[in-house]
Amino acid sequence: DQQVKQNSPSLSVQEGRISILNCDYTNSMFDYFLWYKKYPAEGPTFLISISSIKDKNEDGRFTVFLNKSAKHLSLHIVPSQPGDSAVYFCAASGVSSNTGKLIFGQGTTLQVKP
Amino acid sequence: DSGVTQTPKHLITATGQRVTLRCSPRSGDLSVYWYQQSLDQGLQFLIQYYNGEERAKGNILERFSAQQFPDLHSELNLSSLELGDSALYFCASSATLPITGELFFGEGSRLTVL
Repeated sequence: DQQVKQNSPSLSVQEGRISILNCDYTNSMFDYFLWYKKYPAEGPTFLISISSIKDKNEDGRFTVFLNKSAKHLSLHIVPSQPGDSAVYFCAASGVSSNTGKLIFGQGTTLQVKP
Repeated sequence: DSGVTQTPKHLITATGQRVTLRCSPRSGDLSVYWYQQSLDQGLQFLIQYYNGEERAKGNILERFSAQQFPDLHSELNLSSLELGDSALYFCASSATLPITGELFFGEGSRLTVL
């Protein structure tokens, strides 16, 4: 039962353009969402997060949008840079469950072409 | 450098064998998480410990077990290994429960079962 889904395994964009990575979830108990970035031979690193009480959170070139009614979130990277090429995972947690565990999607490999 | 240390980085073993993966969390972090990443799979949550006690359990096989010691380091024991257990095993730590902050991941232990 995949509670967090990233349906696009890969995405290729041109440098300077916008990258949009998508994520869907099924569990309405999730109330906190995070994006992680992973380079080869490294562990995932935190990128940006959003609480379910918000619909947008921005940090520099990265913006996460949350549509609770659609159970959908997206990560926008503007402008995209070659160094952004990595695997991006979305993750969700249920703060109210008080365990702190994150449920991750399968990941989307982003390639930014110079 | 996330501050989370995992050993060994690479491990090759045979089916039926038993291995132990070790994780040292960031200084001061009480919570340790174990995740498995198989080929083309996302990060699958295995188990979480908080200050020495099991806090949450995911799809962890009965052949796998874990514990967190008084000095807060954790070990993941994998026994009766099968070919399908070949994967990257990540340890992560966090300071707080529940998660409204980030998880800090180690670089992973790559297990190959031949």
